[in-house]
Amino acid sequence: DTAVSQTPKYLVTQMGNDKSIKCEQNLGHDTMYWYKQDSKKFLKIMFSYNNKELIINETVPNRFSPKSPDKAHLNLHINSLELGDSAVYFCASSQDSERTGVSYNEQFFGPGTRLTVL
Amino acid sequence: AQSVSQHNHHVILSEAASLELGCNYSYGGTVNLFWYVQYPGQHLQLLLKYFSGDPLVKGIKGFEAEFIKSKFSFNLRKPSVQWSDTAEYFCAVNAWSNYQLIWGAGTKLIIKP
Repeated sequence: DTAVSQTPKYLVTQMGNDKSIKCEQNLGHDTMYWYKQDSKKFLKIMFSYNNKELIINETVPNRFSPKSPDKAHLNLHINSLELGDSAVYFCASSQDSERTGVSYNEQFFGPGTRLTVL
Repeated sequence: AQSVSQHNHHVILSEAASLELGCNYSYGGTVNLFWYVQYPGQHLQLLLKYFSGDPLVKGIKGFEAEFIKSKFSFNLRKPSVQWSDTAEYFCAVNAWSNYQLIWGAGTKLIIKP
């Protein structure tokens, strides 16, 4: 029944490793997002995909690479992890229902993945 | 650039006190407005939203917000808070020209029992 799910919930790893976080939504939405939330709770958009195409790519290191195999999935792969990557990563989705050319953008969030880099 | 400002980073209240959290945005066009809540250790959940119509919107758990277009504001209110309202509250704005929400920095609300 979970609308937006993420795995794993917790991820503890060493500097320099490569890791992936998976996200799936069963809401039938066509737009998915990755956010990073730092220790001060500030939310930063990282990427957004609409119908499997990248539409937002904020200034994030190219060690972060999103992959969207289909509309229901948006995975995040991180290479060469650094201490500063420690944060909670949230996946979200929305239906970009364009009524008269407008996107309402109500987003539904996953439970988050707490990444700790040692 | 569009921005969202939440005036108070930390708010501490006693139970039964009234709450008002400020949110102002900078965008002159049509907007959709949201308040999200994040309880400790949990994900963000939608509290309430404004798309159009009555500028006073009611959300879950007794929260309401008023959209004042002339002031570019969307303040969150609750007449009597409970200990369980302790959480982080985020205001977000969707400008009709964007694909992304613009987020405020959040307000940490602590309710003393």
